[in-house]
This record gives sequence, C-alpha cells and structure tokens, in this order.
Amino acid sequence: DGGITQSPKYLFRKEGQNVTLSCEQNLNHDAMYWYRQDPGQGLRLIYYSQIVNDFQKGDIAEGYSVSREKKESFPLTVTSAQKNPTAFYLCASSTRTGLRQPQHFGDGTRLSIL
Amino acid sequence: GQQLNQSPQSMFIQEGEDVSMNCTSSSIFNTWLWYKQDPGEGPVLLIALYKAGELTSNGRLTAQFGITRKDSFLNISASIPSDVGIYFCAGLIQGAQKLVFGQGTRLTINP
Repeated sequence: DGGITQSPKYLFRKEGQNVTLSCEQNLNHDAMYWYRQDPGQGLRLIYYSQIVNDFQKGDIAEGYSVSREKKESFPLTVTSAQKNPTAFYLCASSTRTGLRQPQHFGDGTRLSIL
Repeated sequence: GQQLNQSPQSMFIQEGEDVSMNCTSSSIFNTWLWYKQDPGEGPVLLIALYKAGELTSNGRLTAQFGITRKDSFLNISASIPSDVGIYFCAGLIQGAQKLVFGQGTRLTINP
C-alpha cells in the first residue's frame, strides 16, 4: 500500500540531546513537509522540501534541521536549541507545492521530554 | 503569518444532528481542503475544493468553496459516533507555496 510512514510513534528526549524523527513515503511525491501540532492548536509548518537536496524554512524552523537526500525520505532533527520540543510532529507529502495538490499525512510522532 | 479563522472551536451535539463549521480569512484562496484528525493520528483528507462556488460531497459530508474565495464551509448531516474528532480546514492562498491551516473544530457527540 502507498503511504507515509513516520517513526517512531513515541519518542523521549533528554536535556541537551538531539533526536531525529523519520518520515518515509512511497507515493512518489516530490514535495514533503514537517508540521508541529500543540494541544488545541492548528498545524504550524517547520520545514518543507519541493525537490531532492533542497528545502525551505517554514514558520517555526528555529531549533530544527532537515535533510532531503532521497525523494522518499525527509528526516527531521529536533536539536537541543529547541527549548520546548514537546509536541505532536506530523509529516506530509504532495505531488507538488503551490500547485493546489492536497497534502497527505503520516500518523505522527509524539515527542516528550524526560 | 497568514491567518485562517475556523469556527466554532468546539461543538457538543446529539447523535443524529447536523453539523456546520466554517473557515474565513481576509486573503483570497484558490484551494480549500478539509481534513479530519482522530486522536493520536494524522489528519485524513475529506474534501478538496478548487473553484469559487464549488459544492462537493463525500457521503454525509458536504463542503463549499465560498463565492468571495475568502471562506469555506463544511456540513455533516445525521452525525454518528465515528464523526467524533477534530476537523481542520486548510487553504492555499493565491500565489503562495504553503498551506495555511485553521485552528480546528473539535466535535463531540453525545449518544
């Protein structure tokens, strides 16, 4: 089945630690996105990538980093510089950006602080 | 950033009732999307709208792209327990590369 796989489902971070969230898609989509969701709030864009080896900052990129070495994969690293990392992180993909193509989401990773 | 105002923030209804929610903005949109999110899962696309005035149904769900291109509406008829969840609107502002999301409407159904 085609889809977006996020792992792990739950992740715990210690003080000062970097952690990496995985996102893989087999939909052959060009564009991929990372969102952060806090309780009772909508989705806020962290980073997005329109093509391999290229990515742009979203609205809340500080304290996060990404890479896009393969079309299928768009991992997100939450660095120690992100002082409030506890949230639900959602990865999405679409055929293209800005061209009215719906984004499809993975099932999310919940990150908590130990 | 750009703002989408989604209302109501929450709804408490009886099973079988109809539901209406909407999203409004001061910006002009060329795409509206409606998603549903169950607890602990990612949003699932319900309906996509691409033209002003467009009215699209998906089972008991009906969504409309407002004539002014600044708003959209989602209606659910004859609600059932599995309709419980958070409904999000999302829009693509004309000329933009990124979706803008509403804050969500949390739907609770009393049996």
